[in-house]
Amino acid sequence: GEDVEQSLFLSVREGDSSVINCTYTDSSSTYLYWYKQEPGAGLQLLTYIFSNMDMKQDQRLTVLLNKKDKHLSLRIADTQTGDSAIYFCAAAGYSTLTFGKGTMLLVSP
Amino acid sequence: DADVTQTPRNRITKTGKRIMLECSQTKGHDRMYWYRQDPGLGLRLIYYSFDVKDINKGEISDGYSVSRQAQAKFSLSLESAIPNQTALYFCATSEGQGHSNQPQHFGDGTRLSIL
Repeated sequence: GEDVEQSLFLSVREGDSSVINCTYTDSSSTYLYWYKQEPGAGLQLLTYIFSNMDMKQDQRLTVLLNKKDKHLSLRIADTQTGDSAIYFCAAAGYSTLTFGKGTMLLVSP
Repeated sequence: DADVTQTPRNRITKTGKRIMLECSQTKGHDRMYWYRQDPGLGLRLIYYSFDVKDINKGEISDGYSVSRQAQAKFSLSLESAIPNQTALYFCATSEGQGHSNQPQHFGDGTRLSIL
């Protein structure tokens, strides 16, 4: 089945850019998602990209997709302390989503 | 009001007890899902349902059962709870159109502790 891998932790300073990386194994995944989880809350859909796209930009968020390498990244520009959270990458399979283990982003002032 | 509501938000119980976690949604979505989240393991799918008459096992269904009482309601049961079922449980919903390409929308979770 699908396997989705992410680095577990990223620490940046406020105002810097953050880049969270994700790799997946199933080349037939049609949609790839990024979710954000703040402490004590559920997962909030941040953005997603269709597999026929290379890039998607949404305000401070930029998603890059390299289909050949099955690599997905989420860039957060001008990172703020409120961006501190766990970020999950997810790949859409035939019936369900497969989630990575999540990357904890810590933003320091 | 939340679109996906889980009850209870927190529950502490003892080994061997029967537990039911409930999920209701106002989004009008056909598809509903139950996940558990454990530190360092991410989210793992327990069961999912594409409509009222459809129930499917996920990655880790052993020890769990579900009931889809209506389009808007999907409950998860632990028939005889054990300590390694201590986790954060999430319900999610999505629209139903062909393959599972639609985004899933999550409730705020139920924190379950089994002593």
